[in-house]
Amino acid sequence: NAGVTQTPKFQVLKTGQSMTLQCAQDMNHEYMSWYRQDPGMGLRLIHYSVGAGITDQGEVPNGYNVSRSTTEDFPLRLLSAAPSQTSVYFCASSPDRWNYGYTFGSGTRLTVV
Amino acid sequence: GQQLNQSPQSMFIQEGEDVSMNCTSSSIFNTWLWYKQDPGEGPVLLIALYKAGELTSNGRLTAQFGTTRKDSFLNISASIPSDVGIYFCAGPRGKLIFGQGTELSVKP
Repeated sequence: NAGVTQTPKFQVLKTGQSMTLQCAQDMNHEYMSWYRQDPGMGLRLIHYSVGAGITDQGEVPNGYNVSRSTTEDFPLRLLSAAPSQTSVYFCASSPDRWNYGYTFGSGTRLTVV
Repeated sequence: GQQLNQSPQSMFIQEGEDVSMNCTSSSIFNTWLWYKQDPGEGPVLLIALYKAGELTSNGRLTAQFGTTRKDSFLNISASIPSDVGIYFCAGPRGKLIFGQGTELSVKP
């Protein structure tokens, strides 16, 4: 099993550009989430989904959109990139919202210039 | 928002030494989790704790669920170079929230 796959691994954007960070899992997990990691701030929740067709905001949702059309995929869209969105982004999944043993992807390092 | 405070923020130790780190909160948690992030990778679950006072081991790692339910502790015995990484505590508030992390460096 591949687990949680994130693409791309690295990306450089110019301010104002848009892009989609991809996340796919092959474990039939219902719960998926996106976190960003910044130095000294740990992991902060951006958006999450408890199942296909259902999404909700986390702690830092501004500037990001998500959708969950299938169980497997949970893409994160940056609408108009800003330097403050320079970060490492992690996608995580678990069997359901009450199972906190998350499986994380290996991350996408995004730089906005 | 809810915060989990980890200390120390970073540690530089010699191979073979024991390591202790902790995580505190201003409010009660019913579950505590410890994750480790290897350099360049995503976090991986090490230990989950479900009961106040619980002590759980995973190899050289031992974690404890504090009796006040507002803290948790992680100990690593006889550290080795592959223990290098960032250790995160986490607790559920509907969704999982994470502490700021303790970065561990091990000198051979």
